Amino acid sequence: SSELTQDPAVSVALGHTVRITCQGDSLRRYSVTWYQQKPGQAPILVIYGDNQRPSGIPDRLSGSTSGDTASLTITGAQAEDEADYYCESRDSNGKHWVFGGGTKLTVL
Amino acid sequence: QVQLQQWGAGLLKPSETLSLTCAVFGGSFSGHYYWTWIRQSPGKGLEWMGEINHAGVTNYNPSLRGRGTMSLDTSKNQFSLILTSVTAADTAVYFCARRDYQLLRDWGQGALVTVSS
Repeated sequence: SSELTQDPAVSVALGHTVRITCQGDSLRRYSVTWYQQKPGQAPILVIYGDNQRPSGIPDRLSGSTSGDTASLTITGAQAEDEADYYCESRDSNGKHWVFGGGTKLTVL
Repeated sequence: QVQLQQWGAGLLKPSETLSLTCAVFGGSFSGHYYWTWIRQSPGKGLEWMGEINHAGVTNYNPSLRGRGTMSLDTSKNQFSLILTSVTAADTAVYFCARRDYQLLRDWGQGALVTVSS
């Protein structure tokens, strides 16, 4: 089991807002990174440093943290946002990296 | 922008050794980067396997239980993963990636390794 816990699946109606969460004790100390992965592709970086968005990532994706929980919010979800989303951070000892189990986002 | 291209044997028998190599184009090993291996079992999530920096310092996921070795060849701009005594549980798509400070910004295309008798 992962030290970072994500809901396995979330769905959102087209154009609506959805929040994907990632929970873990290490998030109180270390920042989180979010990756988006579509079928048959390598993941891509969508949020880093808890809430920073790389160039080229739509501003409808945003990140935030509170205590031991990090969130990826998609405001006005589009069909192209349908994907698996993974959070990543340090483990509780800070020595290794760990991914959350991933959340499959379905846009209805 | 750096590009990573990976290759290796795709079909192994149990107890054999997995060997994958990742070539780095458009970048060097110097600096603050960590050269990383990640795998994804069929239908499952991502698993960080470990990393190596330009000085050859490695950091492995304890779940490998000593079966994994990462190395780099700076003369060829390549880094490699060796995983011994494979089992069906090692069947996965293996990705190489470059960590830029905390970020896995650049990824290889992925290579499917199947372990089957």
